[in-house]
Amino acid sequence: DVKVTQSSRYLVKRTGEKVFLECVQDMDHENMFWYRQDPGLGLRLIYFSYDVKMKEKGDIPEGYSVSREKKERFSLILESASTNQTSMYLCASSLLGDYGYTFGSGTRLTVV
Amino acid sequence: KNEVEQSPQNLTAQEGEFITINCSYSVGISALHWLQQHPGGGIVSLFMLSSGKKKHGRLIATINIQEKHSSLHITASHPRDSAVYICAVSRVQGAQKLVFGQGTRLTINP
Repeated sequence: DVKVTQSSRYLVKRTGEKVFLECVQDMDHENMFWYRQDPGLGLRLIYFSYDVKMKEKGDIPEGYSVSREKKERFSLILESASTNQTSMYLCASSLLGDYGYTFGSGTRLTVV
Repeated sequence: KNEVEQSPQNLTAQEGEFITINCSYSVGISALHWLQQHPGGGIVSLFMLSSGKKKHGRLIATINIQEKHSSLHITASHPRDSAVYICAVSRVQGAQKLVFGQGTRLTINP
């Protein structure tokens, strides 16, 4: 069963901490995405990557960075966590071109 | 105005009813996606379509490219269909990035 795995379902971090959210896919997909989901705002794209070491900013990249050293792994980094980064974070992957997306189960991050 | 608009935002129905969720978009698209999100977070891709109609079990998705409109139908609805249904489009420009609607929260009562 092909899937996208996010390392944590729930995470609580303190303001100012450096936070790593990990996402691994086993489908050899070129594209990987990080979204955040907030009530009333829907899903918003933070960053995406279409190849190893390649990345593009999404709609809300401020306060985040990403790393893609291997094709199967895409990491989201919160350099200095703030309370306004409390959210549900979803990773997704897809093949290049117009194909379906596979989503991870999500990580609910709370910054206190 | 959002590029992708869904209606209704919330829908409550009785088990067995026929359900319709609508999605309108204002940009040129290469494909439209219907997604399902159950409480707890994970999102499942239901359909991807660029024309016509697709059916999977009790779910049917249609799209009218000229009218920039899509519908998701659920026949013989069941409480396990309770979820948030999200419409998303791949723009012609930047097709690899999805643009999402706000979602429709569906509750099916037994």
